[in-house]
Amino acid sequence: QKEVEQNSGPLSVPEGAIASLNCTYSDRGSQSFFWYRQYSGKSPELIMSIYSNGDKEDGRFTAQLNKASQYVSLLIRDSQPSDSATYLCAVRGAGNNRKLIWGLGTSLAVNP
Amino acid sequence: SAVISQKPSRDICQRGTSLTIQCQVDSQVTMMFWYRQQPGQSLTLIATANQGSEATYESGFVIDKFPISRPNLTFSTLTVSNMSPEDSSIYLCSVDGVDTQYFGPGTRLTVL
Repeated sequence: QKEVEQNSGPLSVPEGAIASLNCTYSDRGSQSFFWYRQYSGKSPELIMSIYSNGDKEDGRFTAQLNKASQYVSLLIRDSQPSDSATYLCAVRGAGNNRKLIWGLGTSLAVNP
Repeated sequence: SAVISQKPSRDICQRGTSLTIQCQVDSQVTMMFWYRQQPGQSLTLIATANQGSEATYESGFVIDKFPISRPNLTFSTLTVSNMSPEDSSIYLCSVDGVDTQYFGPGTRLTVL
């Protein structure tokens, strides 16, 4: 059974701090990794994708991938109250299977 | 990313009835997915729908309960049949984009 695990939270950080969200996955053959943000009552939206080891930065967001340790993380710098949401980690395996394996999500609360 | 719409956005239904949810995409896509998200939970994949072939259902989901149509490359429907209160959930369609999946706004279903 391929699994993706996340701490459910809630993770609470003060405004302006760095929020660190972590995700581990069980399928060593996984090739693609995604972070989605989901506001309450809304559908998930893609915020970051990462495919190779190392860091990938996009504005205040940095995704980090370590395939040897089978974890992927998301850092949010200068956290804002508008970042308060549930963050879902999704992983895709190798080959032509386009399905995503989803974590349960981490709830983030940024306090003003 | 594609623009995805769903109808209805929400509905309240009586047990034993059926509801058909429509998903429309503004561009042609090969693969579409139907998910269920129960309150406070992550995404559960119901089935994968390719145009011109039968939908592929995940473990725990059957065609008699969740029949899916995929008549062309821009449209799909999911029917929730013989509904019970346990079917109360948000139903999301998503499309397979260049890199990952993108979601419609969802249909919030309440079964009384």
